Amino acid sequence: DTTVKQNPRYKLARVGKPVNLICSQTMNHDTMYWYQKKPNQAPKLLLFYYDKILNREADTFEKFQSSRPNNSFCSLYIGSAGLEYSAMYLCASSRGAPGTGGAGEQYFGPGTRLTVL
Amino acid sequence: QQQVRQSPQSLTVWEGETAILNCSYEDSTFDYFPWYRLFPGESPALLIAIRPVSNKKEDGRFTIFFNKREKKLSLHITDSQPGDSATYFCAANNAGAKLTFGGGTRLTVRP
Repeated sequence: DTTVKQNPRYKLARVGKPVNLICSQTMNHDTMYWYQKKPNQAPKLLLFYYDKILNREADTFEKFQSSRPNNSFCSLYIGSAGLEYSAMYLCASSRGAPGTGGAGEQYFGPGTRLTVL
Repeated sequence: QQQVRQSPQSLTVWEGETAILNCSYEDSTFDYFPWYRLFPGESPALLIAIRPVSNKKEDGRFTIFFNKREKKLSLHITDSQPGDSATYFCAANNAGAKLTFGGGTRLTVRP
């Protein structure tokens, strides 16, 4: 089973309000990722967890938070949503740890479409 | 600096033709190149991947040709079907966690 699940599938949020997105996988993968995807653009990596270690991209460092309470779950948290946060948010996981090469084989969830009004 | 580039941005072929999607990269440390397919409204799905130890990887109608010296690779879809219409992303990884995506090629297959 290579399923990555995301909840909710659609999220409507008001400007300035917090948003919390959930991802889960049962493949016992070491690494979980969050990407932001806007129409006609490539997925943009926001952050990833290898085991319990969080790595955030430099240009999105202050905009997104995440937690990984156990191996299966990972959340993405936006403290104060802005209009520019409207996008599809994709969660992915991989078996490999950074530095092993297996991290490239990432399995994506169905995404959460966030609309900020 | 865009590390992974794809061309063309959009491609239209007739059913039964071979679609050729191109990808090039900058970083010589990249050692894993997956292609993802994205249907509208869905998430990227891993289609086929190659490592530089090989110059060709085949899976059914999908074949990756890889030229390490020129830092180029291409995805060939033979006998294209309307159901192949999607956006195809070339990506690259260098044993780190970050998967670097190209800008994508939107393929349309006309019946």
